[in-house]
Amino acid sequence: DQQVKQNSPSLSVQEGRISILNCDYTNSMFDYFLWYKKYPAEGPTFLISISSIKDKNEDGRFTVFLNKSAKHLSLHIVPSQPGDSAVYFCAASVAGGSEKLVFGKGMKLTVNP
Amino acid sequence: GAVVSQHPSRVICKSGTSVKIECRSLDFQATTMFWYRQFPKQSLMLMATSNEGSKATYEQGVEKDKFLINHASLTLSTLTVTSAHPEDSSFYICSARAFPTGTESHEQYFGPGTRLTVT
Repeated sequence: DQQVKQNSPSLSVQEGRISILNCDYTNSMFDYFLWYKKYPAEGPTFLISISSIKDKNEDGRFTVFLNKSAKHLSLHIVPSQPGDSAVYFCAASVAGGSEKLVFGKGMKLTVNP
Repeated sequence: GAVVSQHPSRVICKSGTSVKIECRSLDFQATTMFWYRQFPKQSLMLMATSNEGSKATYEQGVEKDKFLINHASLTLSTLTVTSAHPEDSSFYICSARAFPTGTESHEQYFGPGTRLTVT
């Protein structure tokens, strides 16, 4: 049972444009969400996170939006740069427990020059 | 930012042997470390949660006698794959939490991963 879903396996955008990566979750107990970026044969790198008490968090070119009623979050990258090309993982956790992360399957973003 | 290292980055071993992978937090103390496994084009699957000074908590379906985890200090956790077989070949990644459980931050910082190939 996939609790965190990234339904689109890949996305290709032009440099300078906006990249929108989507993530859906099924467990209503999740209250903290994170985005990670991963290059091949490397460990994931933390990008940005959001608590369930917020609906938006912004850090430079990266903004994460959370819609709790829809159990949906998205990562916006603007403007997109070729160096952003990587696999992006959405992850979720539950506070008060082991706080382990549940990951989606990832989405490959390609930013074309 | 917090840095996590893993050693070795790549290892090839023969079937039936054991392999130890080290995970170190370099500039912070990690009360909790996590071990993941990733198959090609798949998500990261949590194998176990490692708490310093106590036994690891394994996820359902993960054999604790096969994947031995030791979290001997606040900066080191080890994963030993015992009696490795070709199906254990995978990319193993560790992560560490920089904050104690219960604080706001849930971020985990990941190591670079270890590619294990069992022949």
